[in-house]
Amino acid sequence: ETGVTQSPTHLIKTRGQQVTLRCSSQSGHNTVSWYQQALGQGPQFIFQYYREEENGRGNFPPRFSGLQFPNYSSELNVNALELDDSALYLCASSLDRVQETQYFGPGTRLLVL
Amino acid sequence: GESVGLHLPTLSVQEGDNSIINCAYSNSASDYFIWYKQESGKGPQFIIDIRSNMDKRQGQRVTVLLNKTVKHLSLQIAATQPGDSAVYFCAENMVDKLIFGTGTRLQVFP
Repeated sequence: ETGVTQSPTHLIKTRGQQVTLRCSSQSGHNTVSWYQQALGQGPQFIFQYYREEENGRGNFPPRFSGLQFPNYSSELNVNALELDDSALYLCASSLDRVQETQYFGPGTRLLVL
Repeated sequence: GESVGLHLPTLSVQEGDNSIINCAYSNSASDYFIWYKQESGKGPQFIIDIRSNMDKRQGQRVTVLLNKTVKHLSLQIAATQPGDSAVYFCAENMVDKLIFGTGTRLQVFP
């Protein structure tokens, strides 16, 4: 086990709704990254937070947003859900922001109907 | 653009045999690579990493080889076991993100 936890494990939403996914980092890690993994694909980088600030962002629209809290836990928010947002959402924590090993949580499976 | 890809989508091996999973990358400036194992319903699990100042690194039953000349790396699993059945990803560890390929499914049969 990596010590990274995510909630909920599964979620079903309808198109147009909003969703919040949560992640608790491994103890001592100040950096969290979020990834989207479509079925049969590798994870795609959404964004990274370092000490409560966004540190980098992938090719995702602004309706994907995030927060990192002082205890380094994190949230991923997705507004105006689309069918293509159905995926496994993974968070990963690391000791620092530059090329440190990232340890993944079990993911949240989101289904948009 | 940057990309990390895999040659074989599925690899079937007999229990006890050695497995070799290959990966190609396109960014010649990349200097840090990680192999992850992902079992069904779980997040990727760190297996082993290698930096570009090395050609080979060994772990417990696993070896990663890096050939910077042809931008290729491989993961070798010795004495493959049923518990090794999973999807394996190589990932390029950039400054602020990991770039994953699509993965290779390893199937181990008795």
